[in-house]
Amino acid sequence: QVQLVESGGGVVQPGRSLRLSCAASGFSFSSYGMHWVRQAPGKGLEWVAVISFDGINKYYADSVKGRFTISRDNSKDTLFLQMNSLRAGDTALYYCAKARDLFGGFDYWGQGTLVTVSS
Amino acid sequence: QSALTQPASVSGSPGQSITFSCTGTGSDVGGYNYVSWYQQHPGKAPKLMIYDVSHRPSGVSNRFSGSKSGNTASLTISGLQAEDEAYYYCNSYTSSSTHVIFGGGTKLTVL
Repeated sequence: QVQLVESGGGVVQPGRSLRLSCAASGFSFSSYGMHWVRQAPGKGLEWVAVISFDGINKYYADSVKGRFTISRDNSKDTLFLQMNSLRAGDTALYYCAKARDLFGGFDYWGQGTLVTVSS
Repeated sequence: QSALTQPASVSGSPGQSITFSCTGTGSDVGGYNYVSWYQQHPGKAPKLMIYDVSHRPSGVSNRFSGSKSGNTASLTISGLQAEDEAYYYCNSYTSSSTHVIFGGGTKLTVL
């Protein structure tokens, strides 16, 4: 069955960096676009970034553009999110999600990894 | 880009039908058939309930249905059950630089 397992979260000071990973299994990872979606404590869902199946096309939310970089390693079935210049407002549970097609619904989600930005 | 507009809360009794709304603009909900709906129980990851406005993934109960009229998408749950109590989020593709936008979510309470 499809599994998405995020890792790499933790407590980090403002201005520092963190790299999240999402290990995928149970489907042909290299055939699907992948997204990162975050949820601040007690708040709603916020889309963060998407990467196409081949890693060529990448799009970002305005709130993270220029600070976050999405990437993937199809040889290792792994999705990444490099987060730089972190702010308190980036504190959230970060989910990776598989896309049905690039923008047509996220049909599988991981359980999330918590990122806390605090001094 | 503001979030899609969803009511903060709705409630219904078991067996009733209930409809959630998700209002956007012609640049998102009204302009594309890339509207999806997600159910999220507390402490759990979201679950896809409807994609491409009205399509139901395999395994999702046929009590859930989706539609769209103009700039507003809707999710209807028929035969409301206690287990349906959760948050429901809509999302859509948008032609803005953001590309993907979520609604603020609606909390469903089953009375």
